[in-house]
Amino acid sequence: DAGVIQSPRHEVTEMGQEVTLRCKPISGHNSLFWYRQTMMRGLELLIYFNNNVPIDDSGMPEDRFSAKMPNASFSTLKIQPSEPRDSAVYFCASSSGLAGIYEQYFGPGTRLTVT
Amino acid sequence: QKEVEQNSGPLSVPEGAIASLNCTYSDRGSQSFFWYRQYSGKSPELIMFIYSNGDKEDGRFTAQLNKASQYVSLLIRDSQPSDSATYLCAVWGGTASKLTFGTGTRLQVTL
Repeated sequence: DAGVIQSPRHEVTEMGQEVTLRCKPISGHNSLFWYRQTMMRGLELLIYFNNNVPIDDSGMPEDRFSAKMPNASFSTLKIQPSEPRDSAVYFCASSSGLAGIYEQYFGPGTRLTVT
Repeated sequence: QKEVEQNSGPLSVPEGAIASLNCTYSDRGSQSFFWYRQYSGKSPELIMFIYSNGDKEDGRFTAQLNKASQYVSLLIRDSQPSDSATYLCAVWGGTASKLTFGTGTRLQVTL
């Protein structure tokens, strides 16, 4: 199994630009999670999907952030417009069930730098 | 009060010693408890989970849960330099139907 795949691995962009992060979950997993990790705030859940449906997006910081899951094998997290405070590592994780019951498998992360 | 609290460390232990990592949580209704290990520059990986009060052992790792005290710990026996990493405590259940992570404890195993 290839594991959770994320792209790009690194992204450097200028303030005000649109950023799109991509994730392919493990085949057969029906839950997908987007996290953001910073030194100050640790690992924060932004949004999670179950069977392609957003279940909890209370962690999305503001309207500049949006996430979609058009099918079971693909999800995107978009930031528009980006700001320097969005600089962080963004992880995607997938699970074969809801968050609390089954192990979450994390992708390698996307390191985003907004200048 | 943070939902999941951990001492940030670093916790330094000599090789071969027992490392004890602690975590407290605020939601008394929490049901599932996880320990993830994260090497620098890498993604978190699950090493233990526990649902019931008491101890759960897996190789050199033991997770301990005390729901009355809202406390979960991870013991690492015979610590090795390869155990040097940040250990994240995660809690699920209660009022939040999502996994909430602590900020992690950095462990350093010295030769």
